[in-house]
Amino acid sequence: DVKVTQSSRYLVKRTGEKVFLECVQDMDHENMFWYRQDPGLGLRLIYFSYDVKMKEKGDIPEGYSVSREKKERFSLILESASTNQTSMYLCASSLRGAANTIYFGEGSWLTVV
Amino acid sequence: AQTVTQSQPEMSVQEAETVTLSCTYDTSENNYYLFWYKQPPSRQMILVIRQEAYKQQNATENRFSVNFQKAAKSFSLKISDSQLGDTAMYFCAFMASNTDKLIFGTGTRLQVFP
Repeated sequence: DVKVTQSSRYLVKRTGEKVFLECVQDMDHENMFWYRQDPGLGLRLIYFSYDVKMKEKGDIPEGYSVSREKKERFSLILESASTNQTSMYLCASSLRGAANTIYFGEGSWLTVV
Repeated sequence: AQTVTQSQPEMSVQEAETVTLSCTYDTSENNYYLFWYKQPPSRQMILVIRQEAYKQQNATENRFSVNFQKAAKSFSLKISDSQLGDTAMYFCAFMASNTDKLIFGTGTRLQVFP
């Protein structure tokens, strides 16, 4: 079974802190994604990586950056957390190619106070 | 730009009954894929069913089936013989064939009652 693991399920951070959300997949997938999920807004793509060190902005990249130094790991970074970044963050991965299923992690609930 | 619209924020159904969740989308692409994902409470999102736009036949997976109307840009999900375990958030999603990225709707929260 494909496993996408998000290291932190629940985090509480203070405004202005630097926050790292880590995601690891074990199926040698080329693609990795970070989505943000908010009630009434569905899932919105923050960043997409199609290979090591390669990244592409999604629909809402402002306030976020990413790092992909190894194929299996994709990190989302909030350089200076703000209260409007309180949300559920979902990591996902897939093989390259539109026909392939995208697999999701369990999500990380981030609260910024 | 592609958009996905789910007009039903919440639905409920009695166990063993049938329920249909609606989804419409907008695109100028001719080749694409459509998906329904299920997100149970506090659990990870999983793929329920997938439809290739070039296939006329509606996809079916056990109790789950879709009604794909390409001209109308409609992609509804029918759940037959609903079970308590079907209680979840359901997301409709679109992927153009020249990209690997999903575009999601806003979701429909489905509650199955005993």
